[in-house]
Amino acid sequence: DTEVTQTPKHLVMGMTNKKSLKCEQHMGHRAMYWYKQKAKKPPELMFVYSYEKLSINESVPSRFSPECPNSSLLNLHLHALQPEDSALYLCASSLRSGGPTGELFFGEGSRLTVL
Amino acid sequence: QKEVEQDPGPLSVPEGAIVSLNCTYSNSAFQYFMWYRQYSRKGPELLMYTYSSGNKEDGRFTAQVDKSSKYISLFIRDSQPSDSATYLCAMKGRTQGGSEKLVFGKGTKLTVNP
Repeated sequence: DTEVTQTPKHLVMGMTNKKSLKCEQHMGHRAMYWYKQKAKKPPELMFVYSYEKLSINESVPSRFSPECPNSSLLNLHLHALQPEDSALYLCASSLRSGGPTGELFFGEGSRLTVL
Repeated sequence: QKEVEQDPGPLSVPEGAIVSLNCTYSNSAFQYFMWYRQYSRKGPELLMYTYSSGNKEDGRFTAQVDKSSKYISLFIRDSQPSDSATYLCAMKGRTQGGSEKLVFGKGTKLTVNP
């Protein structure tokens, strides 16, 4: 079983709603990631947090707002999304963000549908 | 040229076959190489992690890295229907954009028929 836990597993929201995706890990990892994955495509990096600071933002639209309250938790706040934002959102963690300890462990994902 | 190339398949084999999955890459700065298995509608699961050239074996799985050829492989021996999934190669090092992040191949969809 994965040690990265994501909630909710499924989310349906309208374009005017505000919702949040949550991710938790207790492996002592200090880097956490959000990825977006469309059907039959590889995961695409959105954000990287290293030691609770945002280190990479892959030019993601501001309707996606990440937050890292502490080293174990990662949130993705969603507001005014578009139907094309419907995808599987994956959280991942690694011991560090760089170097030989950079292998990522993924959660099961939150499947988002925007109506 | 894409940084990582992977044949998307699909690849269909009979149970018990040896499966060979491959990726090529163009960025010589990549140092860390991973293979992920992803079942339908699930998150990717880390299968193998290797650093630099050489072989690594774990049960029925063997990962090979040939940095001189910029070529990595995953071999699955005695394949089982439960191995049916999409296999993603991924690698890490300084990307062409200057940051260090994981770059994925497109994934190869494998079906093992009983």
